[in-house]
Amino acid sequence: DSGVTQTPKHLITATGQRVTLRCSPRSGDLSVYWYQQSLDQGLQFLIQYYNGEERAKGNILERFSAQQFPDLHSELNLSSLELGDSALYFCASSVDSEVRETQYFGPGTRLLVL
Amino acid sequence: GENVEQHPSTLSVQEGDSAVIKCTYSDSASNYFPWYKQELGKRPQLIIDIRSNVGEKKDQRIAVTLNKTAKHFSLHITETQPEDSAVYFCAASSGGGADGLTFGKGTHLIIQP
Repeated sequence: DSGVTQTPKHLITATGQRVTLRCSPRSGDLSVYWYQQSLDQGLQFLIQYYNGEERAKGNILERFSAQQFPDLHSELNLSSLELGDSALYFCASSVDSEVRETQYFGPGTRLLVL
Repeated sequence: GENVEQHPSTLSVQEGDSAVIKCTYSDSASNYFPWYKQELGKRPQLIIDIRSNVGEKKDQRIAVTLNKTAKHFSLHITETQPEDSAVYFCAASSGGGADGLTFGKGTHLIIQP
């Protein structure tokens, strides 16, 4: 157990819908990262938040957005869902310092868009 | 942006033999190179990492080497065991405060009994 929690574990929805994925980082970790894992695209970095502020953007679609709240939990919002958004979504967290710190991954949310 | 290439995509070795997985990266600013192991349906778990000020790092049966000039790094697993069977991912991060990882496509390591 990495200490990073994600809910829900599974999500089934329809095209055009909107869903919210939730992540709680390890105690003391200030940075949260979101990744998408699919068979064709592999593991892709979407976005990073540090202590409530957006720090870096990766291959995140405009239909997707995220935020980090004062208690440091984060939510990833996916809207206007398409079949191709079906994937495993991971959240990771790290302490975040000048030295690169280990990113600990949560168990993931499996999203199926029908 | 950063691009990480990983080879081979599948590697089958006899139990007890060594396994080597290789990765190359494109961004010379990258300075952090972790390796993750992922079992089917599970989360990626860090097994070892190396920073650009170090050429080699070892942890029991696992070692990683880094060649900054050639921009490649490798994972070495010795005395492989059945529980080493999994998908292994290399990654790179250029840091500078924004340290999302760029992952390779993964290597499916199969340990033959």
